[in-house]
Amino acid sequence: NAGVTQTPKFRVLKTGQSMTLLCAQDMNHEYMYWYRQDPGMGLRLIHYSVGEGTTAKGEVPDGYNVSRLKKQNFLLGLESAAPSQTSVYFCASSYDGSYGYTFGSGTRLTVV
Amino acid sequence: KNQVEQSPQSLIILEGKNCTLQCNYTVSPFSNLRWYKQDTGRGPVSLTIMTFSENTKSNGRYTATLDADTKQSSLHITASQLSDSASYICVVSAMVTGGGNKLTFGTGTQLKVEL
Repeated sequence: NAGVTQTPKFRVLKTGQSMTLLCAQDMNHEYMYWYRQDPGMGLRLIHYSVGEGTTAKGEVPDGYNVSRLKKQNFLLGLESAAPSQTSVYFCASSYDGSYGYTFGSGTRLTVV
Repeated sequence: KNQVEQSPQSLIILEGKNCTLQCNYTVSPFSNLRWYKQDTGRGPVSLTIMTFSENTKSNGRYTATLDADTKQSSLHITASQLSDSASYICVVSAMVTGGGNKLTFGTGTQLKVEL
């Protein structure tokens, strides 16, 4: 009964380094999302997926890439990290994209 | 532009007291409105979801109201407990072409319950 699991929980990167954040869900949800949460701002959508093998851009996609090779996993990649990408990243999933979303517990990323 | 505004930004109340949080939105076409609770260091957890035709929904000590005409919602917390200390986020969902929804998040009301 794990729901949505994000790894890692914390990470510190140097500017220019790359990394991948992993999101895994065990609820057989079709839709998956990556959000970022910054102080004083609402969550903003980075990328999303409406099913295995599909991805689409959200509000703030620049500097990020995603992949959904398996239905249960949604990966968020940073190819060349920048200090502006310091944030808390949340993954969420939804059965049909229209009603209940389940969020992971977040990844706190600091880029120095 | 779709927007969700919440007030107050922060609130401190004594344990056992009631409080009401406000949410105003300009989102269309409206699909549903959600209230989430976010504990420090955790992801948001859904409290209530209301569609256009629902104007009240309860979840234990949490009661949400929706006035779709004035585009306002409130979250009322009864008999507050220390564990209610969290950020409460109002999220409004708009229908999008092709299915699915687009969510617009408020910035949250930070509630602190003290002894």
